Amino acid sequence: AQSVTQLGSHVSVSEGALVLLRCNYSSSVPPYLFWYVQYPNQGLQLLLKYTSAATLVKGINGFEAEFKKSETSFHLTKPSAHMSDAAEYFCAVTPGGTGGFKTIFGAGTRLFVKA
Amino acid sequence: DTGVSQNPRHKITKRGQNVTFRCDPISEHNRLYWYRQTLGQGPEFLTYFQNEAQLEKSRLLSDRFSAERPKGSFSTLEIQRTEQGDSAMYLCASSSTGANNEKLFFGSGTQLSVL
Repeated sequence: AQSVTQLGSHVSVSEGALVLLRCNYSSSVPPYLFWYVQYPNQGLQLLLKYTSAATLVKGINGFEAEFKKSETSFHLTKPSAHMSDAAEYFCAVTPGGTGGFKTIFGAGTRLFVKA
Repeated sequence: DTGVSQNPRHKITKRGQNVTFRCDPISEHNRLYWYRQTLGQGPEFLTYFQNEAQLEKSRLLSDRFSAERPKGSFSTLEIQRTEQGDSAMYLCASSSTGANNEKLFFGSGTQLSVL
């Protein structure tokens, strides 16, 4: 079975500071991993995904995440936060392929960006 | 690509009433998913379809919930005898079976309030 744990329900950073949102996963098969972002009053949209290619994945808006199998982690980072990054971020896992396509989401981390 | 469309956007109902939500996926997508999201939580998987076949249903889904996708296009989610605990945002997502098939495209959701 797959599961995702996001460490920290709220993260606050200053504009221009490093953003680090933590995610650990559990999967019985090689997983596909995702970060989705939800802006207020909008639907979730894909930020980036890992599908067993390069372990460092670059996404939209300057975000990137690194898949570390030994640590079962997929942390999301951005070197310099912008006010527009304030949103809720969800880490997600799906087994994919013959494992099925049910995507499991973490509880989310709300990012606050201070001016 | 007109995106995933959900109707209605908001539904207020009295406890014990039945409600039905509709989801129109992206036209070429043959996988369709229903999720439920409550405040401060990530989307919780309810069920998913491949074409008209319902392939998986969450054990958390009571018998009061039923979903259909009769012609493999739009889907409906019905909740019978609503309870206050059913109050949540109900999200629909779709995906393709081709390249990039693990990426979910979400609608804006239907917010259900049970009084």
